[in-house]
Amino acid sequence: NAGVTQTPKFQVLKTGQSMTLQCAQDMNHEYMSWYRQDPGMGLRLIHYSVGAGITDQGEVPNGYNVSRSTTEDFPLRLLSAAPSQTSVYFCASSRGPGGGSTGELFFGEGSRLTVL
Amino acid sequence: QKEVEQDPGPLSVPEGAIVSLNCTYSNSAFQYFMWYRQYSRKGPELLMYTYSSGNKEDGRFTAQVDKSSKYISLFIRDSQPSDSATYLCAPNNDMRFGAGTRLTVKP
Repeated sequence: NAGVTQTPKFQVLKTGQSMTLQCAQDMNHEYMSWYRQDPGMGLRLIHYSVGAGITDQGEVPNGYNVSRSTTEDFPLRLLSAAPSQTSVYFCASSRGPGGGSTGELFFGEGSRLTVL
Repeated sequence: QKEVEQDPGPLSVPEGAIVSLNCTYSNSAFQYFMWYRQYSRKGPELLMYTYSSGNKEDGRFTAQVDKSSKYISLFIRDSQPSDSATYLCAPNNDMRFGAGTRLTVKP
C-alpha cells in the first residue's frame, strides 16, 4: 500500500499563478483533508471532505478550492497564488471517527510551496 | 479561542530526562485523544491515543487525560535523541490540532 501520496513535493510559483496540489489515497478512506503548516502555527485545516461529492471549509479556506469526485483523490487548487500561501501543505485521510475507528489520520509526505 | 491549545515550545532537554508535553481543550464532547509525532520534513504519524479519562502506557510513553480539567499530557521517560521531533495533540473526532511542541533531546 502506498498510503497517502502527494505531488508535487516542491513547487515555486510567481504571484498570481494558479496550480493544483494532488492527493491520492489507496486505503478506501472516506475522510480526506488538507492542512498547511507554518512555523509556530501548527497544522491548520484548509478544507476537508467526509466522502465523494462532499466538501467543507476548515479554519483557513480563503484562496483555496477543493473538489472530491472520487473516494481516492482530493486535489487542492490555488486560484491566484500569493506570498502568504508559502507553506508546507499536508494531505491526510482517515476512516473517520465512530464505528470502532479511532479516527487516526494518515498523512502524506508534504508539498513545499514557495510563492515569489 | 482554539479548541485545542498547545505550547509550541521549543523544548530542549538532556538525554535521559523525563519530558512532559501538555494540551488543553475546550469541547467536552471529545472522546479519544491522539498524539502525533512529526520528524523534520516528514508528515505526522500517530504515536498513541487514549480514550476518555485515565492513563495509557506504551513503552517509554504515557498518555494521560483529565476530562475534569480538559487537560491532556504526554510523558516520555528516559528520553532519547531519536525522540527529537514535533509532538501534536488532537481529539479524534475533530480534524484540528494543537500548535505542536518542538522537542530536542540533546545527547
